[in-house]
Amino acid sequence: SQQGEEDPQALSIQEGENATMNCSYKTSINNLQWYRQNSGRGLVHLILIRSNEREKHSGRLRVTLDTSKKSSSLLITASRAADTASYFCAPLFSGGYNKLIFGAGTRLAVHP
Amino acid sequence: DAGVIQSPRHEVTEMGQEVTLRCKPISGHDYLFWYRQTMMRGLELLIYFNNNVPIDDSGMPEDRFSAKMPNASFSTLKIQPSEPRDSAVYFCASRERGGLNTGELFFGEGSRLTVL
Repeated sequence: SQQGEEDPQALSIQEGENATMNCSYKTSINNLQWYRQNSGRGLVHLILIRSNEREKHSGRLRVTLDTSKKSSSLLITASRAADTASYFCAPLFSGGYNKLIFGAGTRLAVHP
Repeated sequence: DAGVIQSPRHEVTEMGQEVTLRCKPISGHDYLFWYRQTMMRGLELLIYFNNNVPIDDSGMPEDRFSAKMPNASFSTLKIQPSEPRDSAVYFCASRERGGLNTGELFFGEGSRLTVL
């Protein structure tokens, strides 16, 4: 399979709490990307982590990558109602593939 | 840059009609992707182009679907004849040439198609 699989499928938290989403994949990657999709909108790129990186930060986002376990996690700290969206991981696989295939995503609901 | 521009944003049509969706990628981007999103199947990659050439169309569901990219600034996805099961949101995305360690996709806002 050339897609990542996100877990959990849905997550409901209160404003101010942290949200953690996980992604697993099956084969070697060049990088892994996370995207957000607000309802009715297109996907927006959040962050990219390369295969030789283990952790990356961007504002309230923290992404980790464990290539030995073929997994990644996205942590959103101090969540806000505006973070309510679906989140997708997209591994870019080795072997010359240029396409990103998206899984079902994690639907995050942040309640005020 | 205005980003990836898709038209129409919404289309309602009758079964059997031809549907044409349009996409203008970001200037300078070498790759263009067409995705389809439904509740049942999620986000599916239909086809992608590199330098206007179709590279992988294995996701195109059947012969009723066709995609073209006549130049670097324009692509179309055509469905003829359309069927109710084609109802979905169709996204276009583009990416600059940058090798395998980049690859960020820029998505348009989508074209919501309803086939009655």
